Amino acid sequence: GQNIDQPTEMTATEGAIVQINCTYQTSGFNGLFWYQQHAGEAPTFLSYNVLDGLEEKGRFSSFLSRSKGYSYLLLKELQMKDSASYLCAVMDSNYQLIWGAGTKLIIKP
Amino acid sequence: ETGVTQTPRHLVMGMTNKKSLKCEQHLGHNAMYWYKQSAKKPLELMFVYSLEERVENNSVPSRFSPECPNSSHLFLHLHTLQPEDSALYLCASSQSVGGDYNEQFFGPGTRLTVL
Repeated sequence: GQNIDQPTEMTATEGAIVQINCTYQTSGFNGLFWYQQHAGEAPTFLSYNVLDGLEEKGRFSSFLSRSKGYSYLLLKELQMKDSASYLCAVMDSNYQLIWGAGTKLIIKP
Repeated sequence: ETGVTQTPRHLVMGMTNKKSLKCEQHLGHNAMYWYKQSAKKPLELMFVYSLEERVENNSVPSRFSPECPNSSHLFLHLHTLQPEDSALYLCASSQSVGGDYNEQFFGPGTRLTVL
């Protein structure tokens, strides 16, 4: 079956760096997405990786290794507003998004 | 209005009621989706429409009935639901079904409670 694994919850300190990991086993691969979802709000797009390597976007970076079925989202200079759930999703060979359960990130002052 | 809108934002219904959820996208997209989000579970894809035609139905019970009258509007008709159907129902749209960098844009969701 298809599976996306990510930690349920992580805690980090304001101003620090945190890495959220995602491992996947899917039928085919057509890209990996990271979304941010604040409580009670819609998921919003953060990043997309389809080739191996690191994509940087301001304070957020996303890494992909297709051979290892592994990705991470790196958040730098954490701010209180970064407290949210972070969802990892892989597009499979049928172009369907397979979603992880999300990682709830708690930022402490 | 911009992006993807959903109404109502909150809905409480009894198991014998009939209600409908509405989604509208203002992005000119050709694909629309219904997802179910339960606490601490992955998003579950329910239905996919491409140019008003249903292209995916992931074994969803018949008490959920989708309708896509045009590429901008999507409905989810609900009848004789069960308490375990209580969840956040999210609508999303994308430029097309499939293809590289096919980001999905989400609405704010309808929080459904079935009593």
